[in-house]
Amino acid sequence: GENVEQHPSTLSVQEGDSAVIKCTYSDSASNYFPWYKQELGKGPQLIIDIRSNVGEKKDQRIAVTLNKTAKHFSLHITETQPEDSAVYFCAAERSNQFYFGTGTSLTVIP
Amino acid sequence: GAVVSQHPSRVICKSGTSVKIECRSLDFQATTMFWYRQFPKQSLMLMATSNEGSKATYEQGVEKDKFLINHASLTLSTLTVTSAHPEDSSFYICSASQTNEKLFFGSGTQLSVL
Repeated sequence: GENVEQHPSTLSVQEGDSAVIKCTYSDSASNYFPWYKQELGKGPQLIIDIRSNVGEKKDQRIAVTLNKTAKHFSLHITETQPEDSAVYFCAAERSNQFYFGTGTSLTVIP
Repeated sequence: GAVVSQHPSRVICKSGTSVKIECRSLDFQATTMFWYRQFPKQSLMLMATSNEGSKATYEQGVEKDKFLINHASLTLSTLTVTSAHPEDSSFYICSASQTNEKLFFGSGTQLSVL
């Protein structure tokens, strides 16, 4: 089956700096890669996603890149703000089954 | 994005009672709904996959008689924790998707069993 690994598990950045979270997957049949942001006591919220026929996607301060050959994808957050502090999960989808990374706890220091 | 409504957000119950959690897709028809359990500072642990009109598929180690799942319509799935015990205390989250479409999560239910 699919195996998704996510790094780092914790990340602290100064406000205004960039944050990068990386994930790898094992199954080349996976073709959809969403990222979720989870705040304390709430459900995960979809923030950006990318399909396997695209290499990069950007939405304001958030971008995702995908390298299908290497089987890795990354989340980039620029100009970080304190409200970006949360746990972020990557996922890989195959045949309507979603496989999640172990999460990254991001802290943005004011 | 699409909205998935989950209720209740928090429930406290006595040991031995049953608790029902509802998950509704408000603006789309969900062909598949998923139920997760999440422990503090950990990732999402898939409990079961539910397709409308058919029996849920449970992950290894999840007791189907303990965690009853009903997916009666394309917009509603329920999880019933039967004869709850303190070890069942956890954060339960549902999610919903259409085939080959995006996955959206409910807001979660914090269950505390006394």
